[in-house]
Amino acid sequence: SYGLTQPPSVSVSPGHTATITCSGDSLEQTYTSWYQQKAGQSPVLVIYEDYKRPSGIPERFSGSNSGNTATLTIIGTQAVDEADYYCHTWDTSALFGGGTKLTVL
Amino acid sequence: QVQLVQSGAEVKTPGSSVKVSCRASGGSFSSEPISWVRQAPGQGLEWMGGITPRSTIGKYAQRFQGRVLISADTSTNTVYMEMRSLTYEDTAIFYCAREAGVGESHFDHWGQGTLVTVSS
Repeated sequence: SYGLTQPPSVSVSPGHTATITCSGDSLEQTYTSWYQQKAGQSPVLVIYEDYKRPSGIPERFSGSNSGNTATLTIIGTQAVDEADYYCHTWDTSALFGGGTKLTVL
Repeated sequence: QVQLVQSGAEVKTPGSSVKVSCRASGGSFSSEPISWVRQAPGQGLEWMGGITPRSTIGKYAQRFQGRVLISADTSTNTVYMEMRSLTYEDTAIFYCAREAGVGESHFDHWGQGTLVTVSS
């Protein structure tokens, strides 16, 4: 088994691009999904299978996966995007990254 | 529209057990695995284990093996998570989450969470 590493925090100005990374051995061999969790709420899927967006998720959210690093990008970040973001994949069990607190200021 | 509705908050004493339920509605129940995810106060998400309801066989994260039992009742579309030998460190919100596919897929639906407080 292996862990997934995310930066604890990322700050971005409104309208700018936020980038959150997720690193882990052999990530390139598995799909990565991303979840948004706002304060006091359940997680919400925002990206699955590396880059796909569920219906209802704004186009400003995108994902990519290269080598052992997956990336969540938010173009034109809005105040409503302020939340914790978690990456996820599978090994012998489900793995979550430690989470990244996105601050929009 | 798939919905996962969990049972209400619990307060337990150290050494006791807790059983949390997750009832699914609005979609198929037997095929897609349902997992349980723990979130301690101010902490991240931690996968505990999961079950494919029709198989009745659970799969567990190593650290929860032997202390957690995940079961399913297909007659009521309900999945259960029972944790025994509770300690103060088990105080957390427990979420059920449904996988989108038949195995090792992303979690496309989540329950509202159940707060379990361990206190003497």
